[in-house]
Amino acid sequence: EDQVTQSPEALRLQEGESSSLNCSYTVSGLRGLFWYRQDPGKGPEFLFTLYSAGEEKEKERLKATLTKKESFLHITAPKPEDSATYLCAVDSGGYQKVTFGTGTKLQVIP
Amino acid sequence: GAGVSQSPRYKVAKRGQDVALRCDPISGHVSLFWYQQALGQGPEFLTYFQNEAQLDKSGLPSDRFFAERPEGSVSTLKIQRTQQEDSAVYLCASSLEGARSGELFFGEGSRLTVL
Repeated sequence: EDQVTQSPEALRLQEGESSSLNCSYTVSGLRGLFWYRQDPGKGPEFLFTLYSAGEEKEKERLKATLTKKESFLHITAPKPEDSATYLCAVDSGGYQKVTFGTGTKLQVIP
Repeated sequence: GAGVSQSPRYKVAKRGQDVALRCDPISGHVSLFWYQQALGQGPEFLTYFQNEAQLDKSGLPSDRFFAERPEGSVSTLKIQRTQQEDSAVYLCASSLEGARSGELFFGEGSRLTVL
């Protein structure tokens, strides 16, 4: 069974303090790894898709990287508006079934 | 519409009542997904439709849960004889090409509370 584990569960950063969120996965055959952002009371919002080890994607202060066992979401010089829960998910080739981790709740303090 | 629309946003049901949750996907999106999200957890897959065909319902937790998408657009998730453990946010998502790209468009969810 596919497993996605995210750490830490919660992270509190000062504005401008860069850090990384981790997503480790165990799947039979990775077809895609995805990062989403979820604000309170909202549905998840798509950020990135990574398909193969070594791939990197960037968007504003966020950069996602992928290895054969884990993915990192790097946040550079975060701002308070980056506060949200960040979800990692994988598609392992099941019938369109995307498996999500439990998320990392990020709080950026001004 | 501009995004995925779900209704009702909030539903309180007494244990044993039946509920119906509606999802209106983005126009033209072939794929539609239902997820269940418990407090503090990630979304968990319930079921998947491609047009009107329900291709995967392996995530439905019991036979009290039923989903349909009769004309390939609007979908309804029905829960019969609700139990307290059914309390959660039910998320609907749609996409043009399924889950492969990862770019699922989610609605804001329907929060179900069973008393």
